[in-house]
Amino acid sequence: EVQLVESGGGLVQPGGSLRLSCAASGFTFSDHYMDWVRQAPGKGLEWVGRSRNKANNYPTEYAASVKGRFVISRDDSKNLLYLQMNSLKTEDTAVYYCAGDALEIWGQGTMVTVSS
Amino acid sequence: QSALTQPASVSGSPGQSITISCTGTSSDVGTYNYVSWFQQHPGKAPKLMIYDVSNRPSGVSNRFSGSKSGNTASLTISGLQAEDEADYYCSSYTSSTTLLYVFGTGTKVTVL
Repeated sequence: EVQLVESGGGLVQPGGSLRLSCAASGFTFSDHYMDWVRQAPGKGLEWVGRSRNKANNYPTEYAASVKGRFVISRDDSKNLLYLQMNSLKTEDTAVYYCAGDALEIWGQGTMVTVSS
Repeated sequence: QSALTQPASVSGSPGQSITISCTGTSSDVGTYNYVSWFQQHPGKAPKLMIYDVSNRPSGVSNRFSGSKSGNTASLTISGLQAEDEADYYCSSYTSSTTLLYVFGTGTKVTVL
């Protein structure tokens, strides 16, 4: 069964850091581009960033709203995708989803709350 | 880069057909055939319903269909069923320097 499972969400103070993980199974993770998408409470979807695959030398791209603060990485040996979030702001509060295969596969999401 | 524009709500009776529009610009919907549609039930993750404008992933009902004309994409749900009541989002690849994908504002579909 194709599956993505996010973890690592929680409550963090403004200016703090948090690392999210996304565990993939049921497909050849290393072949696929992987994205992070977030959804603020009661709001729409927002693309956060992408990790391309090894065949394309793993370049990453980010939305302007998180560029310079968030870093996406992956460990193909463990089928894991990461989102390192630094200098967090209250407006980063959202459910964070990892998604694969050009947004065809989605995890269940993990909630990140940035509040003092 | 602004979000793609969708109507806030669309409603229909069971068995009817409804269409949701998604209006972008020549930097996204108008240029790229990478328009997708997602269904999201409350508290759940989005589910891909249509990709590349009009293609359905395996397992998605053929009651869902997509099309595009100019800067506007559309999702049609025919034979509306109670289970179709959900939020729907479009997305498009974009040539923006600040985003790779842009999502729509979202449409709440209500089955009367």
